[in-house]
Amino acid sequence: SAVISQKPSRDICQRGTSLTIQCQVDSQVTMMFWYRQQPGQSLTLIATANQGSEATYESGFVIDKFPISRPNLTFSTLTVSNMSPEDSSIYLCSPRRIDTQYFGPGTRLTVL
Amino acid sequence: AQSVTQLDSQVPVFEEAPVELRCNYSSSVSVYLFWYVQYPNQGLQLLLKYLSGSTLVKGINGFEAEFNKSQTSFHLRKPSVHISDTAEYFCAVSDTGGYQKVTFGTGTKLQVIP
Repeated sequence: SAVISQKPSRDICQRGTSLTIQCQVDSQVTMMFWYRQQPGQSLTLIATANQGSEATYESGFVIDKFPISRPNLTFSTLTVSNMSPEDSSIYLCSPRRIDTQYFGPGTRLTVL
Repeated sequence: AQSVTQLDSQVPVFEEAPVELRCNYSSSVSVYLFWYVQYPNQGLQLLLKYLSGSTLVKGINGFEAEFNKSQTSFHLRKPSVHISDTAEYFCAVSDTGGYQKVTFGTGTKLQVIP
């Protein structure tokens, strides 16, 4: 398995501001995925962050809105920019290790 | 591209009764299959996975699942549920090559009734 931590665990933000979510893994991983889980729904993949290359975004998600950084093999950040109430969700990082994805505890974001 | 169907959005079951949560997938290539559990207000925990080999996979907390390629199914079972099994269960699929992006089903809420 993997030990994964996310900061912050939750936050309440004002419309129009930005929040950066940090994800730390206890060992090096090549692939990092970021997901969103809107209230009462399943997980939707935002982007794939392969260390050493630009993140790959899924349909409906763009880099200007969700910039991702991957400075090393144990750390990644996701920024939610210019937030609106529709961005209220749980955001989860998911490192992949040996053909299996593991999940962080999530960041619960509420946008007012 | 893959897709996952979990037909049952909610499954109520009495404590100590058996349960089966259904999952069907669609894919044109070889797949890996997963079940994750999400307890209230928590992240996702891997319950079990099928990568290759035996089609009957045993996971944590007494759960098991069987990969059926002909029926493209990966149903989750437990012979006797406990109150602590109350949670949401997600079936997921990824292809075996490339980025191996995981696609999730819509989830099944298991409610164990005392």
